[in-house]
Amino acid sequence: SQQGEEDPQALSIQEGENATMNCSYKTSINNLQWYRQNSGRGLVHLILIRSNEREKHSGRLRVTLDTSKKSSSLLITASRAADTASYFCATDHYNQGGKLIFGQGTELSVKP
Amino acid sequence: NAGVMQNPRHLVRRRGQEARLRCSPMKGHSHVYWYRQLPEEGLKFMVYLQKENIIDESGMPKERFSAEFPKEGPSILRIQQVVRGDSAAYFCASSPLGSFILHFGPGTRLLVL
Repeated sequence: SQQGEEDPQALSIQEGENATMNCSYKTSINNLQWYRQNSGRGLVHLILIRSNEREKHSGRLRVTLDTSKKSSSLLITASRAADTASYFCATDHYNQGGKLIFGQGTELSVKP
Repeated sequence: NAGVMQNPRHLVRRRGQEARLRCSPMKGHSHVYWYRQLPEEGLKFMVYLQKENIIDESGMPKERFSAEFPKEGPSILRIQQVVRGDSAAYFCASSPLGSFILHFGPGTRLLVL
């Protein structure tokens, strides 16, 4: 299975702290994406990083990619209570068409 | 520009009945994906369609499940003779040609009694 794994499964922090989530995958990728899901809702795309990129920023989000370790991390700086959600990494792979393979997710709780 | 629309949002069926889930992609999007999410789990790929074509159905159970994306109208995910294990949230996503970024609908939550 190419299913990614994420850790931690759950993370609880105080508002203002940084949150780091990690994702690992098993086979070579084209791109890696991070999505957010609020409870009971659909997923929302956050950021995409290509396999030839090592780091990408978007607002308070920073994503790194290490293809030698087949891993990625998502850093949310200066977290807010509104960041409380589940975060999923998703990968697309060579010869797999356009489908995305999702990780199990990290459930982030930011306490005010 | 309306987002991806799914209906119904909630569906209750008894074992043995049929469930039909509908998805209207975003305007201009030619690709539709269906995913299933069990409680406390990630999304599992089911099927990937373009208009009138199934591109990849490797994640869909061989029996009881079918999907279509006709030339006109929404994409339909059909589950025949539902069982309790089919209870899950079913998400549809769409993307334009050439993009790997998926736009998700709000999901249909299926409960099989």
